[in-house]
Amino acid sequence: SQQGEEDPQALSIQEGENATMNCSYKTSINNLQWYRQNSGRGLVHLILIRSNEREKHSGRLRVTLDTSKKSSSLLITASRAADTASYFCAFRDDKIIFGKGTRLHILP
Amino acid sequence: DTEVTQTPKHLVMGMTNKKSLKCEQHMGHRAMYWYKQKAKKPPELMFVYSYEKLSINESVPSRFSPECPNSSLLNLHLHALQPEDSALYLCASSQDFAFVSGRANEQFFGPGTRLTVL
Repeated sequence: SQQGEEDPQALSIQEGENATMNCSYKTSINNLQWYRQNSGRGLVHLILIRSNEREKHSGRLRVTLDTSKKSSSLLITASRAADTASYFCAFRDDKIIFGKGTRLHILP
Repeated sequence: DTEVTQTPKHLVMGMTNKKSLKCEQHMGHRAMYWYKQKAKKPPELMFVYSYEKLSINESVPSRFSPECPNSSLLNLHLHALQPEDSALYLCASSQDFAFVSGRANEQFFGPGTRLTVL
């Protein structure tokens, strides 16, 4: 399968804690993207990191990319209830492929 | 306008019905996509249109028939579907299609159509 593997599959943390999700892939990539999906709705693009970048920040989001290990991580700092969603990595082969996703639940 | 709209939001159809899903964007994007998503699974690419031409068909059964009448509209015509086709159907658009441009583009997704086939 060309799908990315994400772990954990599900993650529950207390509000205010940091959440880390990981994505591994098998193909060579030029860049990797992270998307968020609230329950049963469309996906929202969060951040794109290029293969020549190791780390990128956007607000409370921090993404890292290790092309030697073919893995990426998404860190959400100071989590909020509104961060409850599914998070998918996506990368481009000849088309965009989505990872299996991490379901994040922020507990009040 | 940075929105992708999809209609209807919900659709229930029988296996003998013919229906259509519609998607619209006014961002000037030249690539449009159809995805199928089952519960707790990632989106699976079905079709890609680039400059109003079908660029990718991911071996989708012929009971799904895409159409791109113009650069802003994308339809998915449904006929003789099976219950296992019940899913969330997502439309997306991007500035252009990476396969053509050599760049990966952020995709903008619509809210989806929840399809139930009885």
